[in-house]
Amino acid sequence: DAGVIQSPRHEVTEMGQEVTLRCKPISGHNSLFWYRQTMMRGLELLIYFNNNVPIDDSGMPEDRFSAKMPNASFSTLKIQPSEPRDSAVYFCASSLEQGSTEAFFGQGTRLTVV
Amino acid sequence: GQQVMQIPQYQHVQEGEDFTTYCNSSTTLSNIQWYKQRPGGHPVFLIQLVKSGEVKKQKRLTFQFGEAKKNSSLHITATQTTDVGTYFCAGPARDTGRRALTFGSGTRLQVQP
Repeated sequence: DAGVIQSPRHEVTEMGQEVTLRCKPISGHNSLFWYRQTMMRGLELLIYFNNNVPIDDSGMPEDRFSAKMPNASFSTLKIQPSEPRDSAVYFCASSLEQGSTEAFFGQGTRLTVV
Repeated sequence: GQQVMQIPQYQHVQEGEDFTTYCNSSTTLSNIQWYKQRPGGHPVFLIQLVKSGEVKKQKRLTFQFGEAKKNSSLHITATQTTDVGTYFCAGPARDTGRRALTFGSGTRLQVQP
């Protein structure tokens, strides 16, 4: 398996634009997580899905953020409209079971909003 | 909500010296996991501890889970330059409905050759 695949690896966008980050989890994994990493706040859990169903989105900063998982092999995280304070590295991770088995992280998407 | 803190935030050691990072959770954990993130990379799983008081070793790395399952430590013996990176502990809270991993604040290790 190629591991968790995220795209794009880097994204530079202007404030106000819509940004969509994509993730393909490892085949057979039931849980998918979106994390955001910044120097100030560390690794923050934004949202996680179990069997394609959103379980906890309490970490989503505000209504500008939304995430979907239309099927077991694909998830998106959308920011609309984007703001400079959204600049961060966004990681997608998947695991066989939520919380009880190791999480496999993708390479991350480095987002810069100017 | 659940908080997971690590100390120290940063440590700079000479190659060959030992290193320890400590992890404390505000809630009881069903298990604790440790990850390593190299500069510019992504977190990579190192180990999982499940039992109260459990100790596991991986070569020069020793991991311990506290008796109350609220704290943990990672000790590296005789550090090498390849140990450079940020070490995170992570765990799902046992007493809450949240089952996803909450990551600690991380300890960044720098090793001087």
